[in-house]
Amino acid sequence: QTVVTQEPSLTVSPGGTVTLTCASSTGAVTSSHFPNWFQQKPGQAPRTLIYSTSNKLSWTPARFSGSFLGDKAALIVSGVQPEDEAEYYCLLHYGGVWVFGGGTQLTV
Amino acid sequence: EVQLVESGGVVVQPGGSLRLSCAAAGFTFDDYAMHWVRRVPGKGLEWVSLISWDGGNTYYADSVKGRFTISRDDSKNALFLQMNSLRVEDTALYFCAKDKGPVTDGIDHWGQGIQVTVAS
Repeated sequence: QTVVTQEPSLTVSPGGTVTLTCASSTGAVTSSHFPNWFQQKPGQAPRTLIYSTSNKLSWTPARFSGSFLGDKAALIVSGVQPEDEAEYYCLLHYGGVWVFGGGTQLTV
Repeated sequence: EVQLVESGGVVVQPGGSLRLSCAAAGFTFDDYAMHWVRRVPGKGLEWVSLISWDGGNTYYADSVKGRFTISRDDSKNALFLQMNSLRVEDTALYFCAKDKGPVTDGIDHWGQGIQVTVAS
């Protein structure tokens, strides 16, 4: 069974920079996993921030970016705002099947 | 504007069946793959199933394989999830989600979710 691992929690000060990572139990995360990143706040549906590693949607704030960090996918938030406090999930593709990470609770 | 509206959620007994629907609007439905995702209370998001733009390819999480069936009716811009042999652990908020592409590229839009409760 494939497991996708994220940091359970991270804390950052307003205005700071934080990096969230997403690792795969099968090995290095690559572009073929099409890493996606989502933000979810209590009582709300998830909101997509990043698809296919680094592509943004029209509503994605400029302070969010996606990339690779070593053998993991990464979501970097630069100039964190108080409204960025939320849960963040990555999603990886495995030949048709997708697997979510366990999520990271970001505290600002 | 993309709109995804789920329906069909109820309370059902273990072993029972349920069919969720998702009404889509604001985009050319038959150009895109579609997903079902769930959130279990107190836990994170779990990907459930994917259907390609033409319905020719379907994929399932191991936890639902053989019990759930995803389908689509492009004439009605509708996505479905037939859920059989339901278990208590299937209790969750179920989301319909649109893929970025025709086969699969990731999720871009989400519905608001529909609650499914499996309990005796």
